[in-house]
Amino acid sequence: GAGVSQSPRYKVAKRGQDVALRCDPISGHVSLFWYQQALGQGPEFLTYFQNEAQLDKSGLPSDRFFAERPEGSVSTLKIQRTQQEDSAVYLCASSLGGQGSRFRSGTEAFFGQGTRLTVV
Amino acid sequence: QQPVQSPQAVILREGEDAVINCSSSKALYSVHWYRQKHGEAPVFLMILLKGGEQKGHEKISASFNEKKQQSSLYLTASQLSYSGTYFCGTEVYTGNQFYFGTGTSLTVIP
Repeated sequence: GAGVSQSPRYKVAKRGQDVALRCDPISGHVSLFWYQQALGQGPEFLTYFQNEAQLDKSGLPSDRFFAERPEGSVSTLKIQRTQQEDSAVYLCASSLGGQGSRFRSGTEAFFGQGTRLTVV
Repeated sequence: QQPVQSPQAVILREGEDAVINCSSSKALYSVHWYRQKHGEAPVFLMILLKGGEQKGHEKISASFNEKKQQSSLYLTASQLSYSGTYFCGTEVYTGNQFYFGTGTSLTVIP
């Protein structure tokens, strides 16, 4: 597609429920990032993929969070046993990236609209 | 690890200028600037790679002082459309970390 697409846009989950958030990056983009953005805060890094390889998952807050990108395109962020503190907007971004690079010259990041997760 | 931005919030009248600062405690490889409007995704403004580099984007420009580990975003003759939250993003030399700053809320009023 023309841009980064995320689904669903909104998700309400009962505490303890598992959720799966989808990100469809721009075709051909090597790098894919997941961020968590709480209300009034800046996006916080969760994890980074280069193609299908998850090169950095240091930002995932707990082992309840799991991300995958099995074919190097679409990515899924899964949150198990959701808790109220998981409520946030989850942003996905992609960039052309490249070997060993993250954000480099000319490789700006394009963000999706995000998924607003509310855990009740 | 998270870069600190200042000011936290600023209100401008249309046509006024503003400066937003971004300061990191780590040595930086690059600095990015994004603008996010309420309920929307962050939108890329520019990236600065080299120490002392300056770039411009319409009436928005930025500088990057590698030695001081700082970047500043300059908005001149502000327009209503400039309203939003501005984030710097910093890429550090060590590791693969990329952090967004604390954000600066900019409101332009007529």
